[in-house]
Amino acid sequence: DQQVKQNSPSLSVQEGRISILNCDYTNSMFDYFLWYKKYPAEGPTFLISISSIKDKNEDGRFTVFLNKSAKHLSLHIVPSQPGDSAVYFCAAKLTGSARQLTFGSGTQLTVLP
Amino acid sequence: KAGVTQTPRYLIKTRGQQVTLSCSPISGHRSVSWYQQTPGQGLQFLFEYFSETQRNKGNFPGRFSGRQFSNSRSEMNVSTLELGDSALYLCASSSTGTGWDEQYFGPGTRLTVT
Repeated sequence: DQQVKQNSPSLSVQEGRISILNCDYTNSMFDYFLWYKKYPAEGPTFLISISSIKDKNEDGRFTVFLNKSAKHLSLHIVPSQPGDSAVYFCAAKLTGSARQLTFGSGTQLTVLP
Repeated sequence: KAGVTQTPRYLIKTRGQQVTLSCSPISGHRSVSWYQQTPGQGLQFLFEYFSETQRNKGNFPGRFSGRQFSNSRSEMNVSTLELGDSALYLCASSSTGTGWDEQYFGPGTRLTVT
């Protein structure tokens, strides 16, 4: 039973345009959501996070939106750059579980020059 | 500051064998978590150690075990390997023991079971 789902295994976007990566979850006890980026042969690196009490968090070109009623979060990258091409994972943390993250299966983003 | 290091980076084992993977966290970090990544499955939490104690455990069989040493280095062991254990094993370290703080991942150990 996948509690965090990324239904799009891949996404291609033109350089300079917006990339929107989506993630759905089922467990209402998640209180913190994160996005990680992973390049081949490297471990995931933290990108941006959002607490369940917020609906938006921005960091430069990256914005995460959380819709609790729909149990949906999305990552917007504007403008997209070729260096953004990587696998993006969304992850969620259960209330009271400080270190255990539940990850989605990832979305391969390709930004075309 | 050196990042999280994992050894070995690649490993090939035969079904039925056992394997030990090593993780050295960032200096000063006391929490080490282990994850398994398989194609199409994302990362699945194995367990977390803090101050030599296992604090959390994911839904994996008892063949998967781990430990942490006094210098915070951690090892995970998989006994009686199965073909389905072929995966990328990632460890992540974080500094504090309470609340939430960012986890830093190592590059992983790619295990292939034949």
